[in-house]
Amino acid sequence: QQPVQSPQAVILREGEDAVINCSSSKALYSVHWYRQKHGEAPVFLMILLKGGEQKGHDKISASFNEKKQQSSLYLTASQLSYSGTYFCGTGASSGSARQLTFGSGTQLTVLP
Amino acid sequence: NAGVTQTPKFRILKIGQSMTLQCAQDMNHNYMYWYRQDPGMGLKLIYYSVGAGITDKGEVPNGYNVSRSTTEDFPLRLELAAPSQTSVYFCASTSAATNEKLLFGSGTQLSVL
Repeated sequence: QQPVQSPQAVILREGEDAVINCSSSKALYSVHWYRQKHGEAPVFLMILLKGGEQKGHDKISASFNEKKQQSSLYLTASQLSYSGTYFCGTGASSGSARQLTFGSGTQLTVLP
Repeated sequence: NAGVTQTPKFRILKIGQSMTLQCAQDMNHNYMYWYRQDPGMGLKLIYYSVGAGITDKGEVPNGYNVSRSTTEDFPLRLELAAPSQTSVYFCASTSAATNEKLLFGSGTQLSVL
């Protein structure tokens, strides 16, 4: 079953923060985050595995609460280059890339 | 350059025609995937392969076929195209070592009229 992402869309000013949530009704082994710019292919951001770890690089980080079957993506001090659609993909078991189910995406727009 | 190469980038088909979308990767990745993305929607898995000679159905396989005769190539065949197959198609691959971090091709925009 498809994970649910919220919000569907968000508009920010440069420098503001944003949180994107991903929730599943199924037990999860992993959560993947991808960003897609208009007309381009999705690009990998990070993967979080069962264990509740938090990951991050630059000013983008994510958490994974396996008990709640939820993940959140945190964008801090957003930049214009952060604009795009963010997708979470959930995996139910190890070797999860072959079983990823993607949400419908969150469209993020960063304005100057 | 290393990566996933998809051809063609754009194609218009008439209802009932057939075509093959090509996908090739030069990273020696075992796992390869075909996704479709409808406007404003997420990615849905059509077929995937865990190695040469091995393929399996994903979430939306009806109307498509695949083959994997080599590690590098994973073509997607559309038989008897229908308007419902109008979509953007992405091929992706990943390594057996980590089985994560999907690397996507640039996509094929297909319209069936």
